[in-house]
Amino acid sequence: RKEVEQDPGPFNVPEGATVAFNCTYSNSASQSFFWYRQDCRKEPKLLMSVYSSGNEDGRFTAQLNRASQYISLLIRDSKLSDSATYLCVPSAGGSYIPTFGRGTSLIVHP
Amino acid sequence: DAGITQSPRHKVTETGTPVTLRCHQTENHRYMYWYRQDPGHGLRLIHYSYGVKDTDKGEVSDGYSVSRSKTEDFLLTLESATSSQTSVYFCAITQNLYTEAFFGQGTRLTVV
Repeated sequence: RKEVEQDPGPFNVPEGATVAFNCTYSNSASQSFFWYRQDCRKEPKLLMSVYSSGNEDGRFTAQLNRASQYISLLIRDSKLSDSATYLCVPSAGGSYIPTFGRGTSLIVHP
Repeated sequence: DAGITQSPRHKVTETGTPVTLRCHQTENHRYMYWYRQDPGHGLRLIHYSYGVKDTDKGEVSDGYSVSRSKTEDFLLTLESATSSQTSVYFCAITQNLYTEAFFGQGTRLTVV
């Protein structure tokens, strides 16, 4: 089983829509989680950190379900500028090197 | 933004030549990583370092070597570049294995 699994998409949504991505992880020892955003041909940048059950930052909400080992990212009122690839990365410490999957591609259209 | 820079940003080289990419950080972070990113593959780990002179292989390490003689510098060397190593290379740093990663702007390498 892959360490991280995400639907690669693309998710094609109109401006103003609400969209949610799920990310499942295999390492049950994961303690912190990160959502990164990567624009085309650019480096990934941290969008949000999650250390407990969830986190909210403006239009973005992350929710963690440890029992089912998945974390979701909800984007409300989508903007054109939200178009990017979103990467989920769990972190477990120890000797576990964070793994980046392919991420989920989001396209917001007018 | 975290202080992490990659050089060069773009490079075109010929098959069979050696190439060295440099990653420099000013954050004093312990961990440094080299990834490559190709269409349809996401970020794949090449090598990483957990301290000065302490390095280990990632999932796609064949054909690559690394060195870290100082905390701030992590070098990636392609001993004899091949066309399959044409890619975008990203360096990243983390304070430890629980914290978020900061990335350099990437190096676009083309091997012709």
